Amino acid sequence: DTEVTQTPKHLVMGMTNKKSLKCEQHMGHRAMYWYKQKAKKPPELMFVYSYEKLSINESVPSRFSPECPNSSLLNLHLHALQPEDSALYLCASSQDMDGSYEQYFGPGTRLTVT
Amino acid sequence: EDQVTQSPEALRLQEGESSSLNCSYTVSGLRGLFWYRQDPGKGPEFLFTLYSAGEEKEKERLKATLTKKESFLHITAPKPEDSATYLCAVGVVMNTGFQKLVFGTGTRLLVSP
Repeated sequence: DTEVTQTPKHLVMGMTNKKSLKCEQHMGHRAMYWYKQKAKKPPELMFVYSYEKLSINESVPSRFSPECPNSSLLNLHLHALQPEDSALYLCASSQDMDGSYEQYFGPGTRLTVT
Repeated sequence: EDQVTQSPEALRLQEGESSSLNCSYTVSGLRGLFWYRQDPGKGPEFLFTLYSAGEEKEKERLKATLTKKESFLHITAPKPEDSATYLCAVGVVMNTGFQKLVFGTGTRLLVSP
């Protein structure tokens, strides 16, 4: 099974709201990722967790706060977002963060900031 | 700078009309090359991993090949359900020592009946 699940599928939030995106995988993968994808663009890496520790933060604004409670779960906490943050947010996982392992993506959360 | 370029940006085919998509890359340390299929509003679906020049992988109507500077995704006798965006990505070592995927901008494929 190569499934990565994400909730919710859609989220509409105001600029003063606080919300969280959730991601789960049960493949025993040790690396988990958050990506942001705008329409007709490739995914942009935001954060990488390796063995439950934050390994890469691609200079993401502090209004995005990642959390890895355990090896199967990944959260992205959202606060005071801007309309330009509206996008498809993708979670992915891989066996390790060695660039030779394929990443498996979830279906994404479509976020709209009003 | 690590770079991945895909061509063409968009491709329209008739059902049964075979063609190829190109992914050229300039990276300092290739760990693997990956092909994904993405349907609108959904997450990318993993297709293939290629590691070394000369390697080939096949799945149904798709065949991926790799040289030292580029990869091709060959689509044989495509069907309308093959319509999607095809993304190429390479695994690279960053100057921090960590590794990540660098994506191309994708090829949007439309197959008409």
